[in-house]
Amino acid sequence: QKEVEQNSGPLSVPEGAIASLNCTYSDRGSQSFFWYRQYSGKSPELIMFIYSNGDKEDGRFTAQLNKASQYVSLLIRDSQPSDSATYLCAVKKTSYDKVIFGPGTSLSVIP
Amino acid sequence: DTAVSQTPKYLVTQMGNDKSIKCEQNLGHDTMYWYKQDSKKFLKIMFSYNNKELIINETVPNRFSPKSPDKAHLNLHINSLELGDSAVYFCASSQGTGSPLHFGNGTRLTVT
Repeated sequence: QKEVEQNSGPLSVPEGAIASLNCTYSDRGSQSFFWYRQYSGKSPELIMFIYSNGDKEDGRFTAQLNKASQYVSLLIRDSQPSDSATYLCAVKKTSYDKVIFGPGTSLSVIP
Repeated sequence: DTAVSQTPKYLVTQMGNDKSIKCEQNLGHDTMYWYKQDSKKFLKIMFSYNNKELIINETVPNRFSPKSPDKAHLNLHINSLELGDSAVYFCASSQGTGSPLHFGNGTRLTVT
């Protein structure tokens, strides 16, 4: 089992719709969870981080964490063409500050 | 103003050569990392330093040698380059446990 798994996509949504990106992780002791966005040819940029169970909202983005199910998701409301990118889920393990990335989900927002 | 800066941005070299990539961060972070992103875009951790001390050393060929002269700098030296080393190498830094990573712009290494 891979440490962090994501649907590879591509995920296509129409402009204005809600995009839902999912991530599961294997280490039950993981403490910190991050979502990064990466445009083609660019470096990953942090969108959201979440540490506690529940929802965390920032503008059009909502991160959801369920540690019992080892599941973290990212919702993007009112999707825009500029949201088209690869979204990387990352999990920080409890020891040695090791951050493990998932394979990424490619999102395409269709105008 | 650049928080995490890497040089060079592009590196094209032949098999068997030795090359270095430099990274500097001005965020005051204690921890720095090297990640490799292959052609399938998978980001894999290679090394991590905390206050100049190596704390993560993943299964990486010993041709790769990181060096951290101080907590603001982390360099990566690669000996005897191979075709499979072609990738984008990202430097990153973080403040500590639980903190997110801040990435540099990456170095695209092409080995011919």
